[in-house]
Amino acid sequence: GEDVEQSLFLSVREGDSSVINCTYTDSSSTYLYWYKQEPGAGLQLLTYIFSNMDMKQDQRLTVLLNKKDKHLSLRIADTQTGDSAIYFCAETLTGTASKLTFGTGTRLQVTL
Amino acid sequence: GAVVSQHPSWVICKSGTSVKIECRSLDFQATTMFWYRQFPKQSLMLMATSNEGSKATYEQGVEKDKFLINHASLTLSTLTVTSAHPEDSSFYICSAFGGVEETQYFGPGTRLLVL
Repeated sequence: GEDVEQSLFLSVREGDSSVINCTYTDSSSTYLYWYKQEPGAGLQLLTYIFSNMDMKQDQRLTVLLNKKDKHLSLRIADTQTGDSAIYFCAETLTGTASKLTFGTGTRLQVTL
Repeated sequence: GAVVSQHPSWVICKSGTSVKIECRSLDFQATTMFWYRQFPKQSLMLMATSNEGSKATYEQGVEKDKFLINHASLTLSTLTVTSAHPEDSSFYICSAFGGVEETQYFGPGTRLLVL
């Protein structure tokens, strides 16, 4: 079955780097995603990585994928107060190209 | 590009009434749309997958007669919560699959409160 886990909460100081972690159980994942949700809003797609990649960088965001350990991380460099939100990782599985399974969500709090 | 809208953004209704929520892909066509439900401080739960011109596929435990889904065009899907009760109060989010990135783009959500 599909199970995607994240730590519940992360607090960082403004200007520091944030690392949000995600573990999943299904090795047949094809794409892994990171979404951001601000209070009372929908989900904003931040970035995604294909399962045959190890790393993807997009401006302040770096995604690392360890397929052997089924571990995904999102690093936000120079974290800003506007980055405070809930971050969800999600996966799609081979054969279900568009159905997403979401992680439990990590609340990122950025302090001054 | 790849903007998805939902209407209404919030709704309060009396118990026993039906509520319709619209999901539109504004600048791309979406053969597949998804409906999610999110409880406070929890993740998104997929309710159903909606394909244009065919019946929706519901996830286990979701009552199809309670949550009616219609996907009449490539840019519009509707979710109707029939005979709503307080336990149906939740945040409902839709997504549309497609766009340049060929992925799901999410609407801003609809908050439903049933009194």
